[in-house]
Amino acid sequence: ETGVTQTPRHLVMGMTNKKSLKCEQHLGHNAMYWYKQSAKKPLELMFVYNFKEQTENNSVPSRFSPECPNSSHLFLHLHTLQPEDSALYLCASSLRLAGDDEQYFGPGTRLTVT
Amino acid sequence: DAKTTQPPSMDCAEGRAANLPCNHSTISGNEYVYWYRQIHSQGPQYIIHGLKNNETNEMASLIITEDRKSSTLILPHATLRDTAVYYCIVQRRNNNDMRFGAGTRLTVKP
Repeated sequence: ETGVTQTPRHLVMGMTNKKSLKCEQHLGHNAMYWYKQSAKKPLELMFVYNFKEQTENNSVPSRFSPECPNSSHLFLHLHTLQPEDSALYLCASSLRLAGDDEQYFGPGTRLTVT
Repeated sequence: DAKTTQPPSMDCAEGRAANLPCNHSTISGNEYVYWYRQIHSQGPQYIIHGLKNNETNEMASLIITEDRKSSTLILPHATLRDTAVYYCIVQRRNNNDMRFGAGTRLTVKP
C-alpha cells in the first residue's frame, strides 16, 4: 500500500462510451500526475497538477480530460477513445513539484478499449 | 533531462547481492539520480535517490561515481520478490517530469 488508490482497477469500454478514472491520495501531497503505460513501451507522463492547477500537458489528445478538484483527488475523464488507448493508466503523487521528492504510484487502472 | 543507459536484463541468485548499473554520462550538476522498480502489472515503487554522495536505505544502496557519469544500485540480499523492472532516471531539481526508459529486467533465481 503506497497511500495512493485508483479505481476501477480494470475497465473495458467501447469507443463511444464515456468513463472516468479516479485517483485518491492519503499522503497530504500537493502534486499529482497521470501516466500511461502501453504494452512494451516506457511510462509516458500525461498530466501534472500542482495545488490543483495543471502545470503540464504532454500533448495529450483531447479525448483525455483531467480534473483535479482538490489536492487529494485526481480524475481522468475518457470519451471516444481508440483501441490504441488501451493501456495501464497510473496515478502518482509527490509532496512538492520539485526534483528532490519521490513519487508514490497507485496500482493503476488496466483499460481495454474495444 | 539526461538520458540513461541500462542493460535490458540481468539475473541474480537468491540471497546474493544484485548490482544494477546505469550510465548517465550527460548528467548535469543539478540533476538527481533516481531508482524505481516495477513489479509485474503494478505501479512503480520508489527505491532510492541521490545527487553526489552514496546513499543507503532499508531497501538498497546507491553508489554514484565521482564524476557522476554512472551509478550502481545494490540490493544486498536479493529475494525472489525483488524480481522486477528497475528504472534509473535522472531528473532536474524543480522538475517533476520523470522520463522512464526501458529499464533493466532483474530476475532473481532460486
